[in-house]
Amino acid sequence: TQLLEQSPQFLSIQEGENLTVYCNSSSVFSSLQWYRQEPGEGPVLLVTVVTGGEVKKLKRLTFQFGDARKDSSLHITAAQPGDTGLYLCAGAWTGANNLFFGTGTRLTVIP
Amino acid sequence: GAGVSQSPSNKVTEKGKDVELRCDPISGHTALYWYRQSLGQGLEFLIYFQGNSAPDKSGLPSDRFSAERTGGSVSTLTIQRTQQEDSAVYLCASSLGQAIPGGQFFGPGTRLTVL
Repeated sequence: TQLLEQSPQFLSIQEGENLTVYCNSSSVFSSLQWYRQEPGEGPVLLVTVVTGGEVKKLKRLTFQFGDARKDSSLHITAAQPGDTGLYLCAGAWTGANNLFFGTGTRLTVIP
Repeated sequence: GAGVSQSPSNKVTEKGKDVELRCDPISGHTALYWYRQSLGQGLEFLIYFQGNSAPDKSGLPSDRFSAERTGGSVSTLTIQRTQQEDSAVYLCASSLGQAIPGGQFFGPGTRLTVL
């Protein structure tokens, strides 16, 4: 049983389209992170959200942490081929030693 | 380089053999993590080291898996009597203290194939 479920699992879109990826849990997390992983490499941190309802923007990427701190979303505007990769959410509890990673969303942006 | 490095990048072994995977964390990072990733899926936590504290081994799937960290720096993950289900990418990460908010810095991983 996965603590964090991501949807969709796979997403293939045309360049210029918008998309949203979801990360859901029945557990409350103290904070949540989003990572992107490209083939043959390790995940790279995109953002950390720590407050319920928080919204953070990183260029064309908008991240939101749910009010109840059980879910999060990643919205990409005008997707580019460089956005292609595996997107992973990861939740943490205060004082916990590790991150709990989601199931991942594999995004392909077609030129 | 300044990032996390792992070796070997690829390892092919026969069922029943032992393997050792190495991780060199970022200099000065006190926390070190090992994860396993199967078929491009999410990451499964294996073990966590923080400074001189006893490691958190709660994620190790069986007693065939062990890890050590020497001198608070380099870490080795050992898998004894490998099985085909051990085939995966093993990722190492390090961080300054807790992973929040600065995040974990990952190495490129070791792809293990057990024949």
